[in-house]
Amino acid sequence: DQQVKQNSPSLSVQEGRISILNCDYTNSMFDYFLWYKKYPAEGPTFLISISSIKDKNEDGRFTVFLNKSAKHLSLHIVPSQPGDSAVYFCAASQLNTDKLIFGTGTRLQVFP
Amino acid sequence: NAGVTQTPKFRILKIGQSMTLQCTQDMNHNYMYWYRQDPGMGLKLIYYSVGAGITDKGEVPNGYNVSRSTTEDFPLRLELAAPSQTSVYFCASSSQTGGSGYTFGSGTRLTVV
Repeated sequence: DQQVKQNSPSLSVQEGRISILNCDYTNSMFDYFLWYKKYPAEGPTFLISISSIKDKNEDGRFTVFLNKSAKHLSLHIVPSQPGDSAVYFCAASQLNTDKLIFGTGTRLQVFP
Repeated sequence: NAGVTQTPKFRILKIGQSMTLQCTQDMNHNYMYWYRQDPGMGLKLIYYSVGAGITDKGEVPNGYNVSRSTTEDFPLRLELAAPSQTSVYFCASSSQTGGSGYTFGSGTRLTVV
């Protein structure tokens, strides 16, 4: 049973426009959510996170939104740049554990 | 800063062979993890450790073993390799609970033929 779901396997966006990556989860006990970025032949790198007590967190061009009632989070990248082209993984964890549950990833392509 | 180092980067095994995937971190992190990534399947947790001498199973532990004799090292052992273990393996570490960001190694691509 997939507790963290990324239903869009790929997304293509023009440079300068907004990229919106979506993630849904089923476990209401999750209290921390993270986004990771992965380039080919490299390990995932931490991008941004949000606690369940917040509904928004910003870091430069990256903003994560959390809608707990809908069990949905999204990552906004504005403006998108070609260097943002990568696979993005959503992940979630539960209070008092440090095990992350990952989604299946969304491949973002930013074209000129 | 080395971070998390995994060796080897690539390996081809024959069915039934054994091998150890090495993972070392130099950040003095207590928590270490092994994940595998299959195409289109995201990352699945194999084993994890909350400190030296303590290990526990994740979602997909069958066919694997781990040990944690030091804070720095967390090797993953494959016994009797099977084609289903063909995957990319990632080791990660973190300093605390609460979903703090993991630091990942660059991965080991394993093919079992």
